[in-house]
Amino acid sequence: EVQLVQSGAEVKKPGESLKISCKGSGYTFTSYWIGWVRQMPGKGLEWMGIIYPSDSDTRYSPSFQGQVTISADKSITTAYLQWSSLKASDTAMYYCARGRGYCSGGCYFDYWGQGTLVTVSS
Amino acid sequence: EIVLTQSPGTLSLSPGERATLSCRASQSVSYTYLAWYQQKAGQAPRLLIYGVSSRATGIPDRFSGSGSGTDFTLTISRLEPEDFAVYYCQQYGSSPGAFGQGTKLEIK
Repeated sequence: EVQLVQSGAEVKKPGESLKISCKGSGYTFTSYWIGWVRQMPGKGLEWMGIIYPSDSDTRYSPSFQGQVTISADKSITTAYLQWSSLKASDTAMYYCARGRGYCSGGCYFDYWGQGTLVTVSS
Repeated sequence: EIVLTQSPGTLSLSPGERATLSCRASQSVSYTYLAWYQQKAGQAPRLLIYGVSSRATGIPDRFSGSGSGTDFTLTISRLEPEDFAVYYCQQYGSSPGAFGQGTKLEIK
């Protein structure tokens, strides 16, 4: 059974750093892209970026380039999303998902993690 | 970047009725690289349709997708109570793989 299990909810202060995780199981982790999607409170889905764990090829949306870093450790089948300096506007639910299809264009996502809620507040 | 606009914003229907949701792209979507997702409150999105019209594993055949170029449609032939949710389209033919803003399907 394909599973993506994300790390737990986080409460942080502005300016702090954070790294959240997404562990894949039940499939060959290095054969599929992993994407990250943001959902701000009460809002829609936003495509942030994708990574190919086999070689760490990473693509970012221009809206998120330079704001976050996507990485992966294939030895432990885990992808990460990290911030060096959080802002209140980073408060959102963040989903990881397995990418399929034409990933040069961004992939579609067939399996999703349960989401990690990040709250940034002073 | 391709921008996807979904309409209507909210659709109020009764169980048993037919639902038609629209997704319009700001420029032509390459090949058939369009997907649809369903999201219920407090849950992660679920893939319904990929490649414009291919149903994902386990998706009932009352869900169907169609369209090409810039205009796409998700149709739910006979609404079941569990179908009331928010629906998103997504194009993946041109990075970044943008989502539409969503259509909320609510019970009338």
